[in-house]
Amino acid sequence: ETGVTQTPRHLVMGMTNKKSLKCEQHLGHNAMYWYKQSAKKPLELMFVYSLEERVENNSVPSRFSPECPNSSHLFLHLHTLQPEDSALYLCASSLEINNEQFFGPGTRLTVL
Amino acid sequence: AQSVTQLGSHVSVSEGALVLLRCNYSSSVPPYLFWYVQYPNQGLQLLLKYTTGATLVKGINGFEAEFKKSETSFHLTKPSAHMSDAAEYFCAVSDSYQLTFGKGTKLSVIP
Repeated sequence: ETGVTQTPRHLVMGMTNKKSLKCEQHLGHNAMYWYKQSAKKPLELMFVYSLEERVENNSVPSRFSPECPNSSHLFLHLHTLQPEDSALYLCASSLEINNEQFFGPGTRLTVL
Repeated sequence: AQSVTQLGSHVSVSEGALVLLRCNYSSSVPPYLFWYVQYPNQGLQLLLKYTTGATLVKGINGFEAEFKKSETSFHLTKPSAHMSDAAEYFCAVSDSYQLTFGKGTKLSVIP
């Protein structure tokens, strides 16, 4: 595999479920990002990690919990989500912060 | 704070016609500027970027963009549209670590 991969590609969950999104980058990058893409809204940066340390948390609700066990993997743990959390969740990586970002294909999340 | 404005959420052009997608930005520091393209059910792919140096930047698929500091603009152009160019295009500005994206412009190409 090359580039940035995300699993699953599609996820349907109830409001009481717990699930996790996975992102893996095969580019040797040091920074990783989670974005939320909703219809008719700009891409929203959720979390930024550099060398496995969280750099930024843009006022994201606590029902979203990121985890970065190493520089190649990034998770987004989901718990007690709301229907308005339904969106495309994109992972990205960059060599260093402020370099261009490479995106994965995204996970289409539907919360019922 | 930085921001990006993309004029026109939807642009339609005929195949073979000029493509012009507009982007204006605001930034408190010299910006890094990017254009990304998103095809249906896919992530974003980098088209081109401006960091420093030459203000006319060439990217993939025949696209180019010109950084105009006086106009705070970074418009994307392509001389001749192809059907395969139909996608959504995002302009983005970066200061330190945060990429701020515009709302996107959906490009339709009419045969």
